Amino acid sequence: NAGVTQTPKFQVLKTGQSMTLQCAQDMNHEYMSWYRQDPGMGLRLIHYSVGAGITDQGEVPNGYNVSRSTTEDFPLRLLSAAPSQTSVYFCASCRGGDSEAFFGQGTRLTVV
Amino acid sequence: TQLLEQSPQFLSIQEGENLTVYCNSSSVFSSLQWYRQEPGEGPVLLVTVVTGGEVKKLKRLTFQFGDARKDSSLHITAAQPGDTGLYLCAGYLTAGNKLTFGGGTRVLVKP
Repeated sequence: NAGVTQTPKFQVLKTGQSMTLQCAQDMNHEYMSWYRQDPGMGLRLIHYSVGAGITDQGEVPNGYNVSRSTTEDFPLRLLSAAPSQTSVYFCASCRGGDSEAFFGQGTRLTVV
Repeated sequence: TQLLEQSPQFLSIQEGENLTVYCNSSSVFSSLQWYRQEPGEGPVLLVTVVTGGEVKKLKRLTFQFGDARKDSSLHITAAQPGDTGLYLCAGYLTAGNKLTFGGGTRVLVKP
């Protein structure tokens, strides 16, 4: 009964470091997405994918890369971390259409 | 400028009072959704509205989708401390495409 699993839950990076946030779902959903949430605010879409091999940019894609080689996994890469990327990151999946989005528990990232 | 504008940003009320949260856009949406988020957790879906003018009720929560499918509202009757949380509206401009969120409304219900 895993749903959407994100790792790690917490991470501290130094400016300029790179890292990958992992996201996996076991619901066979075609659609996956990454959001960031800053304190007291809503979610802003970073990148999304409508199926394996297909990705597209959201509202705030700069500084992030994604790939979708399998239906299950959708990793988010920070190429060169900046303090402005300090945020909570959420991965979500849904089966498409107007369906419900299921979210992971989030990754709290701090860039110092 | 956000595609979905929520108002108010913050609402503090006493237990037993009613409240309404608004979600507005200049764009037409295929559907709108309302989520609730607790601290340290991801958002959880409350409802999806897909038909213009649609009204859905979930116990003390009433959701409405505007006739023109550009706006929605969430009304809570006789709010309880357990209703405290961050309420987020979200919408699909096109079904099966990206899901866009509003800025959220933080609701605090005091006992």
